[in-house]
Amino acid sequence: AQSVTQPDIHITVSEGASLELRCNYSYGATPYLFWYVQSPGQGLQLLLKYFSGDTLVQGIKGFEAEFKRSQSSFNLRKPSVHWSDAAEYFCAVGGVQGAQKLVFGQGTRLTINP
Amino acid sequence: NAGVTQTPKFQVLKTGQSMTLQCAQDMNHNSMYWYRQDPGMGLRLIYYSASEGTTDKGEVPNGYNVSRLNKREFSLRLESAAPSQTSVYFCASSSRRDRVSEQYFGPGTRLTVT
Repeated sequence: AQSVTQPDIHITVSEGASLELRCNYSYGATPYLFWYVQSPGQGLQLLLKYFSGDTLVQGIKGFEAEFKRSQSSFNLRKPSVHWSDAAEYFCAVGGVQGAQKLVFGQGTRLTINP
Repeated sequence: NAGVTQTPKFQVLKTGQSMTLQCAQDMNHNSMYWYRQDPGMGLRLIYYSASEGTTDKGEVPNGYNVSRLNKREFSLRLESAAPSQTSVYFCASSSRRDRVSEQYFGPGTRLTVT
């Protein structure tokens, strides 16, 4: 079955440090990949997406992600985090079991130390 | 342009009561979705509607019904609420009906069933 795994439930980094959030997917064909961010008490906001083409994609708020087919991964990165980046981050894969549906990972909660 | 709106924001029900969660979008999107979010489980799809007049079950449809009232509105009904349905419910929409595209989320409804 198609699935998305975010191995880290909770990550803590210091403000100004670099960040990498991991995402691994299981899907037979070329996936459509997304990263969403959820601030406390809010809905989900799209950070970036990969459909095809350049495997390094840029998103909003200074985030980027790299699609690596050989590793079935789509890791999210940011060179220098800000306190406002504290939130929960979700990786999602589409193109599974129906054209429009997305399957979400369990989420990674990011805490920023001042 | 309000995007995706949901009502109510909070609701407390007693076991066995019924209620309808309302969702509307003003982006002229074709597809709409209902998810539930539980700690450590990410978002799970309850029902979706690829286009006006069609609805399909997602991963966790039991105990729920949906109505795609028109292109703008997609409601979720709990006929006989159970404590296991305590969750945060998100509505989302996307533009395409025939392939994956990014989904836009509402702010959520926090439901407690006692």
